[in-house]
Amino acid sequence: NAGVTQTPKFRVLKTGQSMTLLCAQDMNHEYMYWYRQDPGMGLRLIHYSVGEGTTAKGEVPDGYNVSRLKKQNFLLGLESAAPSQTSVYFCASSYRMGVYEQYFGPGTRLTVT
Amino acid sequence: GDSVTQMEGPVTLSEEAFLTINCTYTATGYPSLFWYVQYPGEGLQLLLKATKADDKGSNKGFEATYRKETTSFHLEKGSVQVSDSAVYFCALSLNAGGTSYGKLTFGQGTILTVHP
Repeated sequence: NAGVTQTPKFRVLKTGQSMTLLCAQDMNHEYMYWYRQDPGMGLRLIHYSVGEGTTAKGEVPDGYNVSRLKKQNFLLGLESAAPSQTSVYFCASSYRMGVYEQYFGPGTRLTVT
Repeated sequence: GDSVTQMEGPVTLSEEAFLTINCTYTATGYPSLFWYVQYPGEGLQLLLKATKADDKGSNKGFEATYRKETTSFHLEKGSVQVSDSAVYFCALSLNAGGTSYGKLTFGQGTILTVHP
């Protein structure tokens, strides 16, 4: 039982390049989330999904797109990377929203130069 | 809007010292409250939670009590260890109503370093 996994762990992009971050969970959770973590700001929700084939915007969605084609996978895309997107990205999943624990992946450190 | 405010860090303690990390919140509905911990190089993991007023969450020697009257959820531990060195995040999730329903809103995190 691997829990939540993320690939890649590290990535350096040039401004304007694109990339996709992959999140996978093996707990059969319906709900999945993408956060970014910046110093002094905690974690902020980018996008989330309440089930296969669904996506919704979070607090800071601009510049990102997501897809949930399979229940176990949640992809985060950057179409044209900007230095402001330099951050650590975390994926999480949960059985339900609200009182239920979210399980986090180990994170992806992205640097945009 | 809904928000969480934590005491600013970093916090540096000697082993066996008493720990308090303050957390206060503002919520438009009825929140559940959480403490998550992030060890170096890892993702966040749930430390403890409380889902209604006056509930006490506890785990690994840490405790926090949901105080509705002071809108607080302070984290405490009586005797910290070097292995407790980590970043601690307070968070809320609305149980019903409000724009933050079901989603976690995090505080900014508090870095704790414990020296031998």
